[in-house]
Amino acid sequence: DIVMTQSPDSLAVSLGERATINCKSSQSVLNSSNKKNYLTWYQQKPGQPPKLLIYWASTRDSGVPDRFSGSGSATDFTLTITNLQAEDVAVYYCQQDYSIPRTFGQGTRLEIK
Amino acid sequence: EVSLVESGGDLAQPTGSLRLSCAASGFTFGNYAMSWVRQAPGKGLEWVSGISASGRTTYYADSVKGRFTISRDNPRNTLYLQMNSLRVEDTAIYFCAKSVRGGDYDAFDMWGQGTMVTVSP
Repeated sequence: DIVMTQSPDSLAVSLGERATINCKSSQSVLNSSNKKNYLTWYQQKPGQPPKLLIYWASTRDSGVPDRFSGSGSATDFTLTITNLQAEDVAVYYCQQDYSIPRTFGQGTRLEIK
Repeated sequence: EVSLVESGGDLAQPTGSLRLSCAASGFTFGNYAMSWVRQAPGKGLEWVSGISASGRTTYYADSVKGRFTISRDNPRNTLYLQMNSLRVEDTAIYFCAKSVRGGDYDAFDMWGQGTMVTVSP
């Protein structure tokens, strides 16, 4: 199984500042045939189901603000949130969609400083 | 409007069975792979099982393989998860989720609100 490790486990950022969350996979999730990284980012607020933010490592889902961006390739990925807003308080998960089982990171809790 | 509504969660005893359902609406259900993802109380997300758009291909996490069966009824726009030989560690909220582009390995762009399964003696 591919192990997904996020860092940090939690972070506190001031409103208007930048938040950076990292995700490392135990093996590459880059599909050599289509050159896409099968890495997804979700946001989950308390009492709600997860919400898709970014797939293929850097493709924002429809309606997701451009404050959210994803980068990285192969085994190392980053979710960046610029101009942090109060509504961004949530737990963020990465997931690999490259192989079965489709594993998630442990989650990163984002709070306002 | 795209909607997924899970049902069937309940209190069950260890070794018991439950059948979860997920009613889909607002999209062409038969064109999209679907999955079940669970979340134990206060814990992270765990992918449980997936099924192709046609229903011909199924996938399972090792933790449920041989005990859970995923299926779908495309004309009825419904996804199922038959859960047998339940264990205490199966206690979780179970979400159904839709693939963003239809493929078996796509991200999930739509999630239901979840149904709670509690396994306790």
